[in-house]
Amino acid sequence: DTGVSQDPRHKITKRGQNVTFRCDPISEHNRLYWYRQTLGQGPEFLTYFQNEAQLEKSRLLSDRFSAERPKGSFSTLEIQRTEQGDSAMYLCASSLGETDGKLFFGSGTQLSVL
Amino acid sequence: KQEVTQIPAALSVPEGENLVLNCSFTDSAIYNLQWFRQDPGKGLTSLLLIQSSQREQTSGRLNASLDKSSGRSTLYIAASQPGDSATYLCAVTSPGTYKYIFGTGTRLKVLA
Repeated sequence: DTGVSQDPRHKITKRGQNVTFRCDPISEHNRLYWYRQTLGQGPEFLTYFQNEAQLEKSRLLSDRFSAERPKGSFSTLEIQRTEQGDSAMYLCASSLGETDGKLFFGSGTQLSVL
Repeated sequence: KQEVTQIPAALSVPEGENLVLNCSFTDSAIYNLQWFRQDPGKGLTSLLLIQSSQREQTSGRLNASLDKSSGRSTLYIAASQPGDSATYLCAVTSPGTYKYIFGTGTRLKVLA
């Protein structure tokens, strides 16, 4: 058990570019979550998956954001046409599922949009 | 719509003091509540999870209680140490959804 892995740790991009982040959850975990966090704030929910099914997506998420979890394993979060307001820490978490809701977080991807 | 509030936003205490962190939520129909610790620039670490049927959970020097009827949870830290300095966040999930709603956290500093 190596924990939740996120890649890259840091990403600097220019406004208007597309970026993609990857998350590898703990292997037996069914649920996978994406959150966004800005300085001094708590994590803000973006979306979550149960296996490969995306069960809920925040209404705050614009159409520029998309997430996938093919085959119920790793997940990717893509942001198209990035804006300066997208600058934040993007956190991934996973949990076992029905019997245990304890969340395990990765170290996050820090996105800076210039 | 569930909202989670944590007061105070920041707290500074001398080493050895016992302290209480507060978490309030607006909808008492929660499924479970978790307390997390976050160090600067890092991800979150789950400290304690309380199911809706439980009233408290303990781990070492930490004790978390849950009062659903009043919409409150407290995290008690005994004999605080400088290594406890971090931001503490609480989060709740409600029946019918497994998403967690987070508070804004309490930034704790324990002075040596």
